[in-house]
Amino acid sequence: DGGITQSPKYLFRKEGQNVTLSCEQNLNHDAMYWYRQDPGQGLRLIYYSQIVNDFQKGDIAEGYSVSREKKESFPLTVTSAQKNPTAFYLCASSGLADADTQYFGPGTRLTVL
Amino acid sequence: GQNIDQPTEMTATEGAIVQINCTYQTSGFNGLFWYQQHAGEAPTFLSYNVLDGLEEKGRFSSFLSRSKGYSYLLLKELQMKDSASYLCAVMDSNYQLIWGAGTKLIIKP
Repeated sequence: DGGITQSPKYLFRKEGQNVTLSCEQNLNHDAMYWYRQDPGQGLRLIYYSQIVNDFQKGDIAEGYSVSREKKESFPLTVTSAQKNPTAFYLCASSGLADADTQYFGPGTRLTVL
Repeated sequence: GQNIDQPTEMTATEGAIVQINCTYQTSGFNGLFWYQQHAGEAPTFLSYNVLDGLEEKGRFSSFLSRSKGYSYLLLKELQMKDSASYLCAVMDSNYQLIWGAGTKLIIKP
């Protein structure tokens, strides 16, 4: 049963704490992405990776970090430097062909208290 | 700058037809995607257009006019389960997706 999993679905953290969001895919996709979704706005790209051990900043990378040690996994760390971290975080993956469709995980809703 | 515009909210009646419009201004164009997103869930892929014209897929159809920077998603025989947000996204010259804010579709019985 192929797909993308994200955990946890809901996450609460105190201000000043770092937190890591998990994203795993078994679709054998090369590319993986992290987006942030806020009410009334389009999805905004945080980071993306097209190959293991390589990743690029998206439009809003400040305050976030990622790693890509395995093809299947692309965890996102929300650091204390992120000024407004409360949001819905979506992970996606796709093949490497131009204009390949991106498929999304179920998302993690992060709330900073 | 790059911009995707779609209506914030639309209301339609069960069994009817609704058209959701999307206009775009982007740096280059490598295709337009429509996704459906139920509240609190992941977006799911509906359609992809890269050439002008209409693509039909069951009750859903998507149209593209590149010269006008315009697309629409047409939903026929509306069902209550179609109540969701519909996201328009354009792939720019760098093959990055630029997303609209989404159209929330409310279906009434």
